[in-house]
Amino acid sequence: GNSVTQMEGPVTLSEEAFLTINCTYTATGYPSLFWYVQYPGEGLQLLLKATKADDKGSNKGFEATYRKETTSFHLEKGSVQVSDSAVYFCALIWADYKYIFGTGTRLKVLA
Amino acid sequence: NAGVTQTPKFQVLKTGQSMTLQCAQDMNHEYMSWYRQDPGMGLRLIHYSVGAGITDQGEVPNGYNVSRSTTEDFPLRLLSAAPSQTSVYFCASSSRTSEAFFGQGTRLTVV
Repeated sequence: GNSVTQMEGPVTLSEEAFLTINCTYTATGYPSLFWYVQYPGEGLQLLLKATKADDKGSNKGFEATYRKETTSFHLEKGSVQVSDSAVYFCALIWADYKYIFGTGTRLKVLA
Repeated sequence: NAGVTQTPKFQVLKTGQSMTLQCAQDMNHEYMSWYRQDPGMGLRLIHYSVGAGITDQGEVPNGYNVSRSTTEDFPLRLLSAAPSQTSVYFCASSSRTSEAFFGQGTRLTVV
């Protein structure tokens, strides 16, 4: 069946450090891929998405590229800020509306 | 623009009590879902609906009921609360052409 695996956290970085959060997926066909972010006490918000192979999603300095050959959708940011501290979820949707989420990666950025 | 509205934000129940978590969306989305979020387990799908009058079970449906009498509303009922249902609950809505939008969540404690 379809599944999403993302790196366990927490990830602790200093401000302006480079961020990578790994995400790989298992799915038949070609799912759409998403990164959602959850700030403390809030619901999930869409951060970026990619709907086909080689698409690059980007938003707020974050980027992720849909890599079909490695079934990956790693999240990256060149210089993190304290305000990026949150939990990040990788997710996929395929053929229907049901989302499959990874377990989430907590990011803490220190000033 | 309200998006997805969940009520209540917090609730404490005694074991065996019943209650309904409310969810409403104003985006005319056909798809609505309920998830629970537990530490280390990400989001797990409880029940979902593809349109008014149509509901189905997700990954963890036991102990919960849903109904979808209108496009806008998708309440989640706990029939007889158990401590294992202590969690954060999120409602989401989406359409064929949009990503999922989430409510702010309901933090439920069953004592």
